[in-house]
Amino acid sequence: DAGITQSPRHKVTETGTPVTLRCHQTENHRYMYWYRQDPGHGLRLIHYSYGVKDTDKGEVSDGYSVSRSKTEDFLLTLESATSSQTSVYFCAISERGSTGAGNTIYFGEGSWLTVV
Amino acid sequence: KQEVTQIPAALSVPEGENLVLNCSFTDSAIYNLQWFRQDPGKGLTSLLLIQSSQREQTSGRLNASLDKSSGRSTLYIAASQPGDSATYLCAVIGNEKLTFGTGTRLTIIP
Repeated sequence: DAGITQSPRHKVTETGTPVTLRCHQTENHRYMYWYRQDPGHGLRLIHYSYGVKDTDKGEVSDGYSVSRSKTEDFLLTLESATSSQTSVYFCAISERGSTGAGNTIYFGEGSWLTVV
Repeated sequence: KQEVTQIPAALSVPEGENLVLNCSFTDSAIYNLQWFRQDPGKGLTSLLLIQSSQREQTSGRLNASLDKSSGRSTLYIAASQPGDSATYLCAVIGNEKLTFGTGTRLTIIP
């Protein structure tokens, strides 16, 4: 299994509070991703990173920000949590982006976030 | 915009049967296609990766095929077992991102 650790694994927070989820990898992979998974929507990309301090938006980036100051860490921040952000959040990593032989994507175990 | 569809959304089969899961995508300009398994309350486990230049990949009882021109991939599971019960997701990889299907929830009946 790829060395991906997400923290916290479970969190309950109140509407309007800031929340930060952390993804830590030990594989030295260049690409890191944050997804959310919701019933009826599947997995949707929030933000991704293609290097230290290099990030870009995904399809559902509103209300989220990210930072990557080190290769191994990718942080997802909800500046002011809303009930619509209650979801399961998955971090993923890959050695390369879209090209390259055998470019497998590996996922973390997920972070369950409830906003009340 | 790439769209990925998996039909059926749920499937139940008796133990021991062979089965096929389907994945279709709208934009054939992909680099790779990956099949995942997800158990309830867990993350995604990679099963097979098919590069765009390949037509199929095999791992144990699993065989995945890819037909880019028709925008289709299939995951064949031979001699199904109760432990195969899970949700199976396909994802296409292009333009630096993955696009996922919504998955097929598979139940193997002992």
